[in-house]
Amino acid sequence: GDSVTQMEGPVTLSEEAFLTINCTYTATGYPSLFWYVQYPGEGLQLLLKATKADDKGSNKGFEATYRKETTSFHLEKGSVQVSDSAVYFCALSDSIAGKSTFGDGTTLTVKP
Amino acid sequence: NAGVMQNPRHLVRRRGQEARLRCSPMKGHSHVYWYRQLPEEGLKFMVYLQKENIIDESGMPKERFSAEFPKEGPSILRIQQVVRGDSAAYFCASSPPQSRAFFGQGTRLTVV
Repeated sequence: GDSVTQMEGPVTLSEEAFLTINCTYTATGYPSLFWYVQYPGEGLQLLLKATKADDKGSNKGFEATYRKETTSFHLEKGSVQVSDSAVYFCALSDSIAGKSTFGDGTTLTVKP
Repeated sequence: NAGVMQNPRHLVRRRGQEARLRCSPMKGHSHVYWYRQLPEEGLKFMVYLQKENIIDESGMPKERFSAEFPKEGPSILRIQQVVRGDSAAYFCASSPPQSRAFFGQGTRLTVV
């Protein structure tokens, strides 16, 4: 079945540091890939998505590129802020709709 | 257009009681998904429903759990005879056909 493996946390960075959170997946077919963010005590918010190979999703300075050859969708940001502290989830869906499979989440803490 | 509305946001139940979690999808969305997030874990798919139909319940525990999405009104996730292990955050998502899902804020169930 489908699965998502993401980098274990927690990750602690200083403000303005470079962020990478690794995500690899296993799926049949050609899934859509997503990054969600969950701020403390809140629900999930879609951060970015990519629907086909070589697509780059981007939002709020975060980027991730759909790499079919390495089955990866790593999240990057060039300069993190304290307000980026949250839990980040990588997810896939067999179609743009339908059920999603999530990774276990990576907790990011950014210190001033 | 209001987002996906879940209520209550927090629910406390004693062991053996019933828990009812409600999800009102976004206007125009005919598909609803329920996920469970155990402490320190990612989201796990439970069930996918369309109006009056269960499409995929492969993630639902075989006993005590049920879900419905009636023609009128919200989707309901019902947990009978709750146990401590049911304590989790339950997230609902909705989508129109062939489009990505939007998540609600979640209901945090605590069984005491």
